[in-house]
Amino acid sequence: SQQGEEDPQALSIQEGENATMNCSYKTSINNLQWYRQNSGRGLVHLILIRSNEREKHSGRLRVTLDTSKKSSSLLITASRAADTASYFCATDSGSNYKLTFGKGTLLTVNP
Amino acid sequence: DAGITQSPRHKVTETGTPVTLRCHQTENHRYMYWYRQDPGHGLRLIHYSYGVKDTDKGEVSDGYSVSRSKTEDFLLTLESATSSQTSVYFCAIGEGGEQYFGPGTRLTVT
Repeated sequence: SQQGEEDPQALSIQEGENATMNCSYKTSINNLQWYRQNSGRGLVHLILIRSNEREKHSGRLRVTLDTSKKSSSLLITASRAADTASYFCATDSGSNYKLTFGKGTLLTVNP
Repeated sequence: DAGITQSPRHKVTETGTPVTLRCHQTENHRYMYWYRQDPGHGLRLIHYSYGVKDTDKGEVSDGYSVSRSKTEDFLLTLESATSSQTSVYFCAIGEGGEQYFGPGTRLTVT
């Protein structure tokens, strides 16, 4: 069963705008991660946030985590056409760092 | 792709035939994982390994087996392929926390 659920399923914006994607999950977690997948390619790790952290930044990416609401958001600032991809959240809550993925948000950035 | 390769990259096979997919890493990571990706389902964990000869089942393990006889190789076997196993299969490696994914194997079972 899916632990994470991204929202929206699809998002279309113009270059230069900010993109926000949300992820909700069901059970307590150790870590939450965001991955990017370009069409036909493997997933690329973007950022990991631990359950005791509330916010994390990496370049143009900002991730927040609210464990009381079991939700996270990924903000991409000043988007570029190259940011066009599917974005997945993934959580691990047990041993051996097994990940449970959401179904993803398809982001399209129009030039 | 962080020193991780998958073979073959594409395969078409017939129902009932055995199929083995290989994942090879050069990073000496302890953990290795096999996922399948299907439209409408995202990625789902099939099996994983936490060391040589140490493996366990994931969420969708029925019809699949794995083996890891050395650190660098993790094999996924479909004993008797079915059409429902048509999918894109991804291998991933990690040391705890983030995982690094291979390029994927597109498997079609006819």
